[in-house]
Amino acid sequence: EVQLVESGGSLVQPGGSLKLSCVASGFTFSNYWMDWVRQTPGKSLEWIGEINTDGSKTNYAPSIKDRFTISRDNAKSTLYLQMSNVKSDDTAIYYCTRNNRFDYWGQGVMVTVSS
Amino acid sequence: DIQMTQSPSFLSASVGDRVTINCKASQNINRYLNWYQQKLGEAPKLLIYNANSLQTGIPSRFSGSGSGTDFTLTISSLQPEDVATYFCLQHNSWPRTFGGGTKLELK
Repeated sequence: EVQLVESGGSLVQPGGSLKLSCVASGFTFSNYWMDWVRQTPGKSLEWIGEINTDGSKTNYAPSIKDRFTISRDNAKSTLYLQMSNVKSDDTAIYYCTRNNRFDYWGQGVMVTVSS
Repeated sequence: DIQMTQSPSFLSASVGDRVTINCKASQNINRYLNWYQQKLGEAPKLLIYNANSLQTGIPSRFSGSGSGTDFTLTISSLQPEDVATYFCLQHNSWPRTFGGGTKLELK
C-alpha cells in the first residue's frame, strides 16, 4: 500500500524557517518525481514545486521561488521542503504527492505563520 | 500561468441525480487534466487522470471528458458518499495550477 506521511508542521514566526518531511512507503521512492502542494485556509490548492528522481532537478512555483527548497534522500525514502523567510501567506496545509499522475497524497501537515 | 476556471463553485443535488462539474483552462492543456475529490479533513483523492482515465478503485459512476481547454467531470448517479469538494488540476505546463473547487452537497 502506497503511503506518504508528512511531518514537521508547526507555528513559526514571520521571517522564520521550517523543514517539512514526507516519508514514503509501499513503492520504490527513487523511481518517482515528487511534488509539494499546499492548501490555504480558504481551501485553495497551490502547487509549490517538484523534484526529479535523483534530486538533481527541481522546478518551483514563481510565488515561492528562492524561499523554499525541495530535496530528497532516496536512501531514507524521504522528501523534504525547506521553508525560509516565511510569510503569513504561507499559512496552509502542506501535502506531498507522487508525481505519477499526482496519484497519491499524504494526509498533510499544518504550518501556521504568525507572531 | 494557466488559469483554471472551475464551475459551479457550489452545487446542490439529490441522490440519483446526474451531476456535472466543469473546468476551463485559459490555454490549451491537451488532455493533461486530473479530477480530485476531497472530503472534509482528508487529502485530495484522484478520481480521473489525463481527462478521461478512471483511477483504479474509483466507482464507474465517475467519468471525465474534454480536451484542449474545456473539461467535464460527471457523476452519473449521485450517492450520499459523494458529498465532497471537487478540484481539477492541469499538469500540462509549469506551474501546475488547480481549479477553485466545487462544493457538492445533497439537496
